[in-house]
Amino acid sequence: QVHLQESGSGLVKPSETLSLICTFSGDSIDTYYWNWVRQPPGKGLEWIGYIHNSGRTNYNPSLKSRVTMSLDTSKNQFSLKMSSMTAADTAVYYCARLIYAVSIDFWGRGTMVTVSS
Amino acid sequence: DVVLTQTPLSSPVTLGQPASISCRSSQSLLHSDGNTYLSWLQQRPGQPPRLLIYKLSHRFSGVPDRFSGSGAGTDFTLSISRVEAEDVGIYYCTQASQLPYTFGQGTKLEIK
Repeated sequence: QVHLQESGSGLVKPSETLSLICTFSGDSIDTYYWNWVRQPPGKGLEWIGYIHNSGRTNYNPSLKSRVTMSLDTSKNQFSLKMSSMTAADTAVYYCARLIYAVSIDFWGRGTMVTVSS
Repeated sequence: DVVLTQTPLSSPVTLGQPASISCRSSQSLLHSDGNTYLSWLQQRPGQPPRLLIYKLSHRFSGVPDRFSGSGAGTDFTLSISRVEAEDVGIYYCTQASQLPYTFGQGTKLEIK
């Protein structure tokens, strides 16, 4: 069983930058891709992007200009930064692991992020 | 982007009866490696999503065998052979065959 836990700012002001960290159990190996997914209240899921164990990233084009992800394998952590936040970015943010050639298999419990002044 | 369209959006089911959810893709999800990376997730109220089925028809560890997945190309189905009370929640299909990864809009399963 893999454990993932999100942490970071739960309240962000409009135009500011969101910073979240996901701490995971176990090792980060080459078959793993570390993902962020968000879910606005009462709505569906949106993939934000992933970072591979090598440091290679891939972002959703709809968010690419505002997103940066990084990985620190020494701390078993990866992070999300999203700039120029607006009310439309209010959502539960999940971190999740994807195994290459399989699927996203484990999810964190999620953290609610509210954008408000 | 690949658009996944689920039907129905809401499914009232009697306990012990079967249920099925359809997911239609705007493009073929057959990957160049020969696999179809279509998965099904369950999200119970107040909880994160949970993987049920991956690569079209493979049940994830710990998932009851009353859940099964089928389909090919652009049409996929999640079937529950006998619905139990704990199956209440929202079910999503999701694809990882093409970037960006996308999700269906969700189907709410509720008990009649």
